[in-house]
Amino acid sequence: DTGVSQNPRHKITKRGQNVTFRCDPISEHNRLYWYRQTLGQGPEFLTYFQNEAQLEKSRLLSDRFSAERPKGSFSTLEIQRTEQGDSAMYLCASSSGGLAGERNEQFFGPGTRLTVL
Amino acid sequence: GENVEQHPSTLSVQEGDSAVIKCTYSDSASNYFPWYKQELGKRPQLIIDIRSNVGEKKDQRIAVTLNKTAKHFSLHITETQPEDSAVYFCAASLYNNNDMRFGAGTRLTVKP
Repeated sequence: DTGVSQNPRHKITKRGQNVTFRCDPISEHNRLYWYRQTLGQGPEFLTYFQNEAQLEKSRLLSDRFSAERPKGSFSTLEIQRTEQGDSAMYLCASSSGGLAGERNEQFFGPGTRLTVL
Repeated sequence: GENVEQHPSTLSVQEGDSAVIKCTYSDSASNYFPWYKQELGKRPQLIIDIRSNVGEKKDQRIAVTLNKTAKHFSLHITETQPEDSAVYFCAASLYNNNDMRFGAGTRLTVKP
């Protein structure tokens, strides 16, 4: 499968626990994005990496959230001390960066559905 | 920052009819406007996009129009088919900027 993959697909946790999600982008893509999507809403931008550098963070990303992309390939998103309001689908996307004349299409992964009890 | 509003939130049409979904954006610097289709339980997938140097773009049964002055853009689907039923999201960003803002989505139902 050459698309974006995410693991796990589903995660159920108790409030207060930490969770970590993984995203494997399309191999030649240097840009990686994390979004959160709740029922009936569009994806909300959380953060973005170009290679291993985290270049943008939304103010939605509280200090309980941290994302890494240590080698510029896969990325992890960790949520500490989870709250019920964190329940959502967490989507990862990757793109080739939209070089001159090239569409900056973001390809989405299947998402990780988080349920915080 | 950019704010994207999308209407309607739900749309039901008869097979063969046309469907139109409209979005407005707030940041006049935005110049890239993609549309994504998300089927139930699946990931969003790009179906068409437009850059601000173009007023209209067409791809078979789907077309997108852009009015930069009014800061709105629309998705048009003609000859709708049941398989067009999905949630459609518009988005706006600078072409190379990555803070893409999505609309809240339109649930399109095409009745056979």
